[in-house]
Amino acid sequence: ETGVTQSPTHLIKTRGQQVTLRCSSQSGHNTVSWYQQALGQGPQFIFQYYREEENGRGNFPPRFSGLQFPNYSSELNVNALELDDSALYLCASSLVGRGLTEAFFGQGTRLTVV
Amino acid sequence: GQNIDQPTEMTATEGAIVQINCTYQTSGFNGLFWYQQHAGEAPTFLSYNVLDGLEEKGRFSSFLSRSKGYSYLLLKELQMKDSASYLCAVKNEGNTGKLIFGQGTTLQVKP
Repeated sequence: ETGVTQSPTHLIKTRGQQVTLRCSSQSGHNTVSWYQQALGQGPQFIFQYYREEENGRGNFPPRFSGLQFPNYSSELNVNALELDDSALYLCASSLVGRGLTEAFFGQGTRLTVV
Repeated sequence: GQNIDQPTEMTATEGAIVQINCTYQTSGFNGLFWYQQHAGEAPTFLSYNVLDGLEEKGRFSSFLSRSKGYSYLLLKELQMKDSASYLCAVKNEGNTGKLIFGQGTTLQVKP
């Protein structure tokens, strides 16, 4: 158990719809990162939130957006879903600014777009 | 660009030793991580290297050579439960949680 929880665990959406995924970070951590993991691939960095602001973004279009709340929990929103968005979405929390520590991952949300 | 390479698949025998290699070319370097991921589960942290040399933690060891852009994960006394994907990841920016992952190495341990 990492203390990072994501919801829901599985989700099926139709192409063109919008989806919101949620993450509760580990207690004491101030940074949340989101990753997309396609089947058989390593996780790809989407973006990171630090102190409620986006602090770094990967090569993902603007229809991928997010929020971080004062309690450091976070949301990932994806608009106009495409079939290729089907993947495992992972949330990772870490403590940045207090020395280098590893990222702790949640169990992920498996999104299927049909 | 950022590039991290690992072998796609490896097979080893229970009780044996296996070495999983990782080479990287990134714009910066602030540490290299190894994660284990069982099918359908979250990645779990195994090891971290920021200086050259070997870090040992029980049956797992990880080595780093920054000048060669090279790391390996060494698994000793393999057990069936070690069958999983092993992910090499580089932190290329200092004050951030961003990790750049390789595609992962699927290790199958056979009896």
